[in-house]
Amino acid sequence: KQEVTQIPAALSVPEGENLVLNCSFTDSAIYNLQWFRQDPGKGLTSLLLIQSSQREQTSGRLNASLDKSSGRSTLYIAASQPGDSATYLCAVLNTNAGKSTFGDGTTLTVKP
Amino acid sequence: GAVVSQHPSWVICKSGTSVKIECRSLDFQATTMFWYRQFPKQSLMLMATSNEGSKATYEQGVEKDKFLINHASLTLSTLTVTSAHPEDSSFYICSAYPGLAGLEQFFGPGTRLTVL
Repeated sequence: KQEVTQIPAALSVPEGENLVLNCSFTDSAIYNLQWFRQDPGKGLTSLLLIQSSQREQTSGRLNASLDKSSGRSTLYIAASQPGDSATYLCAVLNTNAGKSTFGDGTTLTVKP
Repeated sequence: GAVVSQHPSWVICKSGTSVKIECRSLDFQATTMFWYRQFPKQSLMLMATSNEGSKATYEQGVEKDKFLINHASLTLSTLTVTSAHPEDSSFYICSAYPGLAGLEQFFGPGTRLTVL
């Protein structure tokens, strides 16, 4: 059974800092890994999708990496802004079952 | 990107009533749709997987008689919470999977259910 863990559970940083969110998974038989953002009381916003054959994806100030062999992914946020404050979720799409498993999320607060 | 809609976006109902939530893929056909539930300050938990024209597959611990899922077409799946109780209050999110056409799930905006 796939298990996804995100560390840290919460993070508070001053504006402008670069930061790294971590995601680890136990079963490397995945199609892809996806990072989402969720604002309080809202749905999911897809940030980055990394296919299993890829090592990283970039979008603006965000960079996500994937190391299947070690079961790890990181989301790097450069020059953080207060508007980045949200909960960040990673999800892996499993090969065998064709369904996604989510981590518990990292709640980020960026202070002005 | 592909769009998935949910209706209603929020609903308040009395205990004992049934509530139906619709999930639609607007610009693609979804061979498979998934239903998730999210309690406050928790992550998304998969409830069930539905394939068009067949019975849904429920995750362990999810009551299939309480959470009725119908996937009548390639663009529509419905979740009916029967005889809802306050403990069913949650955020319900669906996702649609194009299958061979792509390896990414597309998520709906969610439905907030409050049972009084």
